[in-house]
Amino acid sequence: EPEVTQTPSHQVTQMGQEVILRCVPISNHLYFYWYRQILGQKVEFLVSFYNNEISEKSEIFDDQFSVERPDGSNFTLKIRSTKLEDSAMYFCASSEDGNYGYTFGSGTRLTVV
Amino acid sequence: QKEVEQNSGPLSVPEGAIASLNCTYSDRGSQSFFWYRQYSGKSPELIMSIYSNGDKEDGRFTAQLNKASQYVSLLIRDSQPSDSATYLCAVNGHTGKLIFGQGTTLQVKP
Repeated sequence: EPEVTQTPSHQVTQMGQEVILRCVPISNHLYFYWYRQILGQKVEFLVSFYNNEISEKSEIFDDQFSVERPDGSNFTLKIRSTKLEDSAMYFCASSEDGNYGYTFGSGTRLTVV
Repeated sequence: QKEVEQNSGPLSVPEGAIASLNCTYSDRGSQSFFWYRQYSGKSPELIMSIYSNGDKEDGRFTAQLNKASQYVSLLIRDSQPSDSATYLCAVNGHTGKLIFGQGTTLQVKP
């Protein structure tokens, strides 16, 4: 069964450093998403991406965050200057048509120290 | 603020029983409804989707949707210990993003 692949599985970074989280969506999917889940809390929407541009972003997705699809397969989330409160599981997801259930990747656990 | 509400539980049922999980949502414009299962430390896994009023069955799982009451439920028949997980209700409006509930923790006791 096709999978969404995320790397790394765990990243530890110092406060103020930049991190890039990487995702390879399912190959025929056109819609891409990032979500995060702080330990013990809800899964929260960050951003959706379609046709090489952001289609929607949440209040969480401020100027510190950016997304890119640098080639035909990768989809990245960059956090420019990490804060302690950015510590969370970050999930990438993709969808064939944007209306039906997504497939989530296995996640990257980001720990900011 | 569009909300999805679930009882956080834990909901404890004996093996072989029916587990009933409930969810309400605030946005009447919501169009698609999903149940995800999440094991501790893992990513959400889609187990059911429902788009129109009524029941939808898939194996041991039945999703029920009542748009007038803004209510979605998931029934798990013949519950197994391997069903022990957190069940997330998620709602998709017309923009494509999913809004998740807090999740209900299900414990199935052998």
